[in-house]
Amino acid sequence: QGQLVESGGGVVQPGGSLRLSCAASGFTFSNYGMHWVRQAPGKGLEWVTFIRYDGTNKYYADSVKGRFNISRDNSKNTLYLQMNSLRPEDTAVYYCAKDPPYGFWYFDLWGRGTLVTVSS
Amino acid sequence: EIVMTQSPATLSVSPGERVTLSCWASQSVSTNLAWYQQKPGQAPRLLIYGASTRATGISARFSGSGSGTEFTLTISSLQSQDFALYYCQQYNNWLAFGGGTKVELK
Repeated sequence: QGQLVESGGGVVQPGGSLRLSCAASGFTFSNYGMHWVRQAPGKGLEWVTFIRYDGTNKYYADSVKGRFNISRDNSKNTLYLQMNSLRPEDTAVYYCAKDPPYGFWYFDLWGRGTLVTVSS
Repeated sequence: EIVMTQSPATLSVSPGERVTLSCWASQSVSTNLAWYQQKPGQAPRLLIYGASTRATGISARFSGSGSGTEFTLTISSLQSQDFALYYCQQYNNWLAFGGGTKVELK
């Protein structure tokens, strides 16, 4: 089934940057599209960004477009999220999540998440 | 943009009860609908995809139905471990989550 483990969260000031990582194991990482999904404290789920299995296509929610960049290193089985120009409203638990086979955009495997707090 | 609406926001139930959660889409999503369960402090877990197909390892207590704009998740006999938040998500046109239904102990 596999495992995803996020890291890199923490407290950052507004306008600052942070880089999240997601280490994948137990499945062939290079075969699957990957996503970041976030959840603000006490709120629902919000999709953030997607990257194709080979890194050739990326999509972003309007709320993060131009500020966040998703990338992956298939040789290291790792997904990344570079977050720049952070705002208080970006405060959330960030989950990495895996596409199922055939590329449908639902999530059959989730990590446990990493908390990002944007505050002065 | 497709908007997903879940009702009710909170459902108070007793163990052993049959529970039905509803999810509506603002326009047809065919059967491209997934359900997730989330417990406090945990990541969401996929329960149902394709509106009615149980994910690997998911108990037969959980069943999904619907197509187009109206969907339901049914828990046939609620167990203590089923008290959680439940989200629907469409993936027919981009993707969008519903606001969630909390199933709590009556």
